[in-house]
Amino acid sequence: EAGVVQSPRYKIIEKKQPVAFWCNPISGHNTLYWYLQNLGQGPELLIRYENEEAVDDSQLPKDRFSAERLKGVDSTLKIQPAELGDSAVYLCASSNGREEGADTQYFGPGTRLTVL
Amino acid sequence: QKEVEQNSGPLSVPEGAIASLNCTYSDRGSQSFFWYRQYSGKSPELIMFIYSNGDKEDGRFTAQLNKASQYVSLLIRDSQPSDSATYLCAVMNDYKLSFGAGTTVTVRA
Repeated sequence: EAGVVQSPRYKIIEKKQPVAFWCNPISGHNTLYWYLQNLGQGPELLIRYENEEAVDDSQLPKDRFSAERLKGVDSTLKIQPAELGDSAVYLCASSNGREEGADTQYFGPGTRLTVL
Repeated sequence: QKEVEQNSGPLSVPEGAIASLNCTYSDRGSQSFFWYRQYSGKSPELIMFIYSNGDKEDGRFTAQLNKASQYVSLLIRDSQPSDSATYLCAVMNDYKLSFGAGTTVTVRA
């Protein structure tokens, strides 16, 4: 079974430029998550989707960040304009709901963003 | 107070020894508890989860949960150099997974 796929793996941009990240979850996983991970910290949730619906976007900085999951499968996370402080690893994860009593999330390889 | 706290580390153990990782959480309503392993430059990889009080064993790994004390731990028996990584504790409450900052483990050959 293929895992969570993300692209690009690395991205270097100048501040104020836009950037987009793409995620394809594990087949059959209805729930998709975007996380941000800073160096030396654990991942922090940005947004959670159940199918096409964003059910938790309370931590998404909506002034510059946006996300979509139009057909309930792939998802795109966008930053416009990017700031220096956005440099981090952006992780996508997916889950299939309750599995043996726990909603296990599986992570993609991440996109490492560097804003210059 | 952070939602999930882990012992700061780094933790250095000799090969073959037991590595003990600790995690405390603040929300008593938390339902499920996860341990992820993250190699440098890689994404988190699930080791195991636990949701009932007591011990759960999977190979060389044992997770221990004490909800009354709001404490979860991970034991790695017979530590190998390949176990050298950062271990993230994650706590789930109402579908939201909150992570600790991680404990870095180095296994000395």
